Amino acid sequence: AQTVTQSQPEMSVQEAETVTLSCTYDTSESDYYLFWYKQPPSRQMILVIRQEAYKQQNATENRFSVNFQKAAKSFSLKISDSQLGDAAMYFCAYRSEGSGTYKYIFGTGTRLKVLA
Amino acid sequence: DAGVIQSPRHEVTEMGQEVTLRCKPISGHNSLFWYRQTMMRGLELLIYFNNNVPIDDSGMPEDRFSAKMPNASFSTLKIQPSEPRDSAVYFCASSGRGQVRYGYTFGSGTRLTVV
Repeated sequence: AQTVTQSQPEMSVQEAETVTLSCTYDTSESDYYLFWYKQPPSRQMILVIRQEAYKQQNATENRFSVNFQKAAKSFSLKISDSQLGDAAMYFCAYRSEGSGTYKYIFGTGTRLKVLA
Repeated sequence: DAGVIQSPRHEVTEMGQEVTLRCKPISGHNSLFWYRQTMMRGLELLIYFNNNVPIDDSGMPEDRFSAKMPNASFSTLKIQPSEPRDSAVYFCASSGRGQVRYGYTFGSGTRLTVV
């Protein structure tokens, strides 16, 4: 069975600085999708970025980028120029590629604090 | 689009009472998911509907939980009778046809407190 591990329960970053959140996963599959979701105090789960395992190029969305290391089964999220609005829980998630597979496996989350 | 709409946003009920949570998915989405979030267990998938049909309810914790999707625009999650250990945030999420790979769209969740 697949597992997703976020080993950092909490991280802090100074406003305008860069922070990296870690995520590792375990799978025997070769094709899958990885996601980072943000959950601010409003509770809404917001998709931040996604990565297809078959793509070697790391995904980027504005200030958010990932470092996808398939062999190491690592999927870290880098937030550049951190803003106060980035303060939230961040969840890493895994989804299999196979047809009929729809379940996302979520990590336990990392709480990010942004210091002014 | 208004996104996935859940109601109520908060629910406080007494142990033993029936609780009904509601969800309106994004128009045109054919996949609907109910998740439960707790500090102890994180995000757990309770049930998945595709084209209004329940496909996988293996995550439903026990017979006290039931979910329905009578049409493409509405789903309910019912707990009867409720217990304090059911206290959690319940999320509904939806996804378009063939778009689950692109990520769910979540609702804002219902925080349920059973006292």
